Amino acid sequence: GEDVEQSLFLSVREGDSSVINCTYTDSSSTYLYWYKQEPGAGLQLLTYIFSNMDMKQDQRLTVLLNKKDKHLSLRIADTQTGDSAIYFCAEIPDRGSTLGRLYFGRGTQLTVWP
Amino acid sequence: DSGVTQTPKHLITATGQRVTLRCSPRSGDLSVYWYQQSLDQGLQFLIQYYNGEERAKGNILERFSAQQFPDLHSELNLSSLELGDSALYFCASSAATGAGNTIYFGEGSWLTVV
Repeated sequence: GEDVEQSLFLSVREGDSSVINCTYTDSSSTYLYWYKQEPGAGLQLLTYIFSNMDMKQDQRLTVLLNKKDKHLSLRIADTQTGDSAIYFCAEIPDRGSTLGRLYFGRGTQLTVWP
Repeated sequence: DSGVTQTPKHLITATGQRVTLRCSPRSGDLSVYWYQQSLDQGLQFLIQYYNGEERAKGNILERFSAQQFPDLHSELNLSSLELGDSALYFCASSAATGAGNTIYFGEGSWLTVV
């Protein structure tokens, strides 16, 4: 199947690092994505990683992929109140029947306290 | 701004009615996806079109239908509406299809059925 699991809530203090975790079940997943949804807004693509990579860094964002454990994490350095949002992990399994279709987790609500 | 445009942004309608949601993909993108976001179901894939043809079908009800036109814009038709159809409907687009394509989402259309 294509189950993507995330913890539902995370609270951090402004300036700290946030780590949002995600696990997926489909071993054929070759592309994994992080999307951000602010209140009343659409889904903003934050970053993505290919399965042949272990890590990807983009400014304050670091994505770590442990393919053996099917574990993906998103680290936000120096978290700001503007980072408060719901973060979705998503995968596209590399199988013909599901080509191009994103499977989403339920999202992690990140709350940043000043 | 993702470049994906959805109209209307908000819609309130009565049970039993029919509505049409419209999506203009990013310039040059051939693939269009529709997703439904609700509190209880999370983000559910509905349907995908690629260059005018249906490519994949997800949890789309028989009361719902979609199409992609020659100019690549897409419409999602929802009929015989029920209270449970109240949700945020996202359109997304990508250049092609298959794993590895970056998928960009619009701001969504909020549908409230009363």
